[in-house]
Amino acid sequence: DAKTTQPNSMESNEEEPVHLPCNHSTISGTDYIHWYRQLPSQGPEYVIHGLTSNVNNRMASLAIAEDRKSSTLILHRATLRDAAVYYCILRSTTSRGGSEKLVFGKGMKLTVNP
Amino acid sequence: DSGVTQTPKHLITATGQRVTLRCSPRSGDLSVYWYQQSLDQGLQFLIQYYNGEERAKGNILERFSAQQFPDLHSELNLSSLELGDSALYFCASSVLLGGTQYFGPGTRLLVL
Repeated sequence: DAKTTQPNSMESNEEEPVHLPCNHSTISGTDYIHWYRQLPSQGPEYVIHGLTSNVNNRMASLAIAEDRKSSTLILHRATLRDAAVYYCILRSTTSRGGSEKLVFGKGMKLTVNP
Repeated sequence: DSGVTQTPKHLITATGQRVTLRCSPRSGDLSVYWYQQSLDQGLQFLIQYYNGEERAKGNILERFSAQQFPDLHSELNLSSLELGDSALYFCASSVLLGGTQYFGPGTRLLVL
């Protein structure tokens, strides 16, 4: 599985935008970029995913670099509820061998200050 | 609420014992995944079932086994428990193979 690199942690202020970076220099053409987050004492939660184009949903936006070697998760107005560990994960669209598992790295801890 | 339920929420047991963790996927989801989260190893994929059949195995110990029943709920059986098996165990489900995974709240296992 191709690897991703994220900062260990970031801090933001409530109601301000926050940009969470992820590097994935070995990404292949069939890899989707997925983001999940894990709030304290909860299971991971899907945030967003994309392949080449930028994506928006009600939770966040995903900006993907033109060469796809990096991406940024954007929370437009951080709230205290966004404090979590964020995981950037690559998932291949081809599942030879049959596994669609998620490979979690260490993730990045986001602290939101009131 | 993801729609995935896991029972029990907490489990305390002794070394050498056997426990069963239960997962009910979201309605309509055919694929079930089990993950283990420990402090030193992070979130690790254990095993995946799709419509009753084992589909993929990850870092699952031989002492652990799982199954998915005709009603699509799944059970993870952990036997000959060791202190190091203490962890959070999450179940996730997806409707499509490779689709978005929805995680349950987890079962916290403590082996004393």
